[in-house]
Amino acid sequence: DAKTTQPTSMDCAEGRAANLPCNHSTISGNEYVYWYRQIHSQGPQYIIHGLKNNETNEMASLIITEDRKSSTLILPHATLRDTAVYYCIVRQNDYKLSFGAGTTVTVRA
Amino acid sequence: DSGVTQTPKHLITATGQRVTLRCSPRSGDLSVYWYQQSLDQGLQFLIQYYNGEERAKGNILERFSAQQFPDLHSELNLSSLELGDSALYFCASSVTGASAGELFFGEGSRLTVL
Repeated sequence: DAKTTQPTSMDCAEGRAANLPCNHSTISGNEYVYWYRQIHSQGPQYIIHGLKNNETNEMASLIITEDRKSSTLILPHATLRDTAVYYCIVRQNDYKLSFGAGTTVTVRA
Repeated sequence: DSGVTQTPKHLITATGQRVTLRCSPRSGDLSVYWYQQSLDQGLQFLIQYYNGEERAKGNILERFSAQQFPDLHSELNLSSLELGDSALYFCASSVTGASAGELFFGEGSRLTVL
């Protein structure tokens, strides 16, 4: 699987959009970009995934650059409950997710 | 609630002992994954089963073993426990084992080895 690079931590203000970057410069054509988050030792929670096109669901938006070497997860209106570790994962059409260190996001009131 | 059930939630045992962690996947999910999360290692993939068969193996120690039963629940057996085995053990499930889609994680079993 291609490796990803994420900032170690970031802060954002409650009610504002949170933009979480991820670099995956070695991504190959059949690899998907996944985002998960983990709230304080709970089980990881799926957020969104995409291959080439931008994606949006009720939780977030995923913007993937045209060359697919980087992506941004957007939480449109961050709340205190969005404080978590966010993992960007590149996954082939195989069987496992490989989690890195992720980005610790702290939403401040 | 992800629909994945793990038991027990907490377990305290001594070095050298053996424990079994149990996972019930979401209804209809055929694939089960086990992950270990310790403070210094992050989330590590251990093993995956699909419809009763082992599908992929990660950083699973020889002292650890797993299986998936005909009713699709899975058990992770940890033997000759060491202090370093103290960790959160997560089970996840998915509908299939080999296509794009999300994994649903349970709340984990916290193992403490004293």
